[in-house]
Amino acid sequence: QVQLVESGGGLVKPGGSLRLSCAASGFIFSDFYISWIRQAPGKGLEWVSYITGGGDPVYYADSVKGRFTISRDNTKKTVYLQMNSLRAEDTAVYYCARIGDFARWRSSFYFDHWGQGTLVTVSS
Amino acid sequence: EIVLTQSPGTLSLSPGERATLSCRASQSVNSNYLAWYQQNRGQAPRLLIYGASTRATGIPDRFSGSGSGTDFTLTISRLEPEDFAVYYCQHYDTSPGRFTFGPGTKVDIK
Repeated sequence: QVQLVESGGGLVKPGGSLRLSCAASGFIFSDFYISWIRQAPGKGLEWVSYITGGGDPVYYADSVKGRFTISRDNTKKTVYLQMNSLRAEDTAVYYCARIGDFARWRSSFYFDHWGQGTLVTVSS
Repeated sequence: EIVLTQSPGTLSLSPGERATLSCRASQSVNSNYLAWYQQNRGQAPRLLIYGASTRATGIPDRFSGSGSGTDFTLTISRLEPEDFAVYYCQHYDTSPGRFTFGPGTKVDIK
């Protein structure tokens, strides 16, 4: 079955850096786009970034552009989110999610499988 | 930039009742790119509906989606205890390649 497992969250000071990982299993990893979505405590969902199957192109929300970098290693079936210049407002649970199966339907821009999330806290 | 608005913010209903949740886009959108999710407390979201009206795998038929243009609706025909949760709509904008979520509707027990 499809599984996505996030890791790398933790406490970091403002201005610091953190790298999140999302390890995937149960599907042909390189065939799927993967996204990061975050949720601040008690708040709604905010899309952060996504990466296409081959690693290029990539897309970012305006709130993280220039500070966060998404990448993937298809041999390790893992997607990364490098987060630099972190701010208090980046505090959130970060989920990775698989974007739908374009082989079934070419408009599959939705998130059909989600990990359980990893908490990032930015505080001094 | 397309903004999604959901109403009501909170819906208080009893088990067995019908729930009607609204998602409105700030401009007309392609319904192929409209999805709905359910999130229970402390859990990751779960995909319910994609393409505005297609149920995802394993989703019970009491959940249905409809709408086009700027107005979309998620209907839960008869609420089960596990349906009391927060529901989000989501849209994908092909240019510039961006996802947007609505602020959510909480369905709680009356």
